[in-house]
Amino acid sequence: ETGVTQTPRHLVMGMTNKKSLKCEQHLGHNAMYWYKQSAKKPLELMFVYSLEERVENNSVPSRFSPECPNSSHLFLHLHTLQPEDSALYLCASSQGGTIYSYNEQFFGPGTRLTVL
Amino acid sequence: GQNIDQPTEMTATEGAIVQINCTYQTSGFNGLFWYQQHAGEAPTFLSYNVLDGLEEKGRFSSFLSRSKGYSYLLLKELQMKDSASYLCATHSGNTPLVFGKGTRLSVIA
Repeated sequence: ETGVTQTPRHLVMGMTNKKSLKCEQHLGHNAMYWYKQSAKKPLELMFVYSLEERVENNSVPSRFSPECPNSSHLFLHLHTLQPEDSALYLCASSQGGTIYSYNEQFFGPGTRLTVL
Repeated sequence: GQNIDQPTEMTATEGAIVQINCTYQTSGFNGLFWYQQHAGEAPTFLSYNVLDGLEEKGRFSSFLSRSKGYSYLLLKELQMKDSASYLCATHSGNTPLVFGKGTRLSVIA
C-alpha cells in the first residue's frame, strides 16, 4: 500500500459510455498526476495538478477530462473513448511546491481500462 | 526535447549482478529517477540521482554521469522477486517527469 488508492481497479466500457476514474491520496501531498501506461510504450503523463495549477499533455485527446476538487482527490472523466484508449491508468501524488518539483511520486495500483 | 533510451528486456541468474543502463537527452536536466514495477502493480520509487557518482542503497545502487547523459541501476545478489520492469525517468526544470519505456528484467534460477 502506497497511500494512493484508485477505483475501480478494472473497467470495461463501450465507446458510447461515460465513466469516471477516481483517485484518492492519504499522504498529505499537494500534487496529483494521471498517467497512461500502454503495452510497450513509456509511461505517459496526461495531467498534473499542483497547488491549484494544472498542466496537461497537449497530445491527450479531449475525450479525457480531469477534475481535482481538492488536494486529496483526483478524477478522470471518460467519454466516447476509442479502443486504442485501452490501457492502465495510473494516479500518483507527490509533495512539491510546483508541478516541476522533483519529489518522489507515489503511485496508485491503477485502473485497467478496456474499451470495446 | 526529451529522449530516454533503455534496453527492452534483460535476463539474469539468481544470485548474480545485473546492470540496467539508461541514456537520456533532456534539456534543463535536473535529476534522474529509477522506479521498479512488478507486473500488474504500481511503480515504486528506488532512487533519485542529482549529482554525478554512485549511490548505494542495500542491494541496489544507482549511478549518474551528467556529462555523458548516462545512468545505470545495479542490482546485486539477485533474487527471484527482483523480476520486474525498471523505469528510468528524467526530471527537468521545465517539464514534469518523463519516463523511458522500461526494462523488463527476468531473474532465472
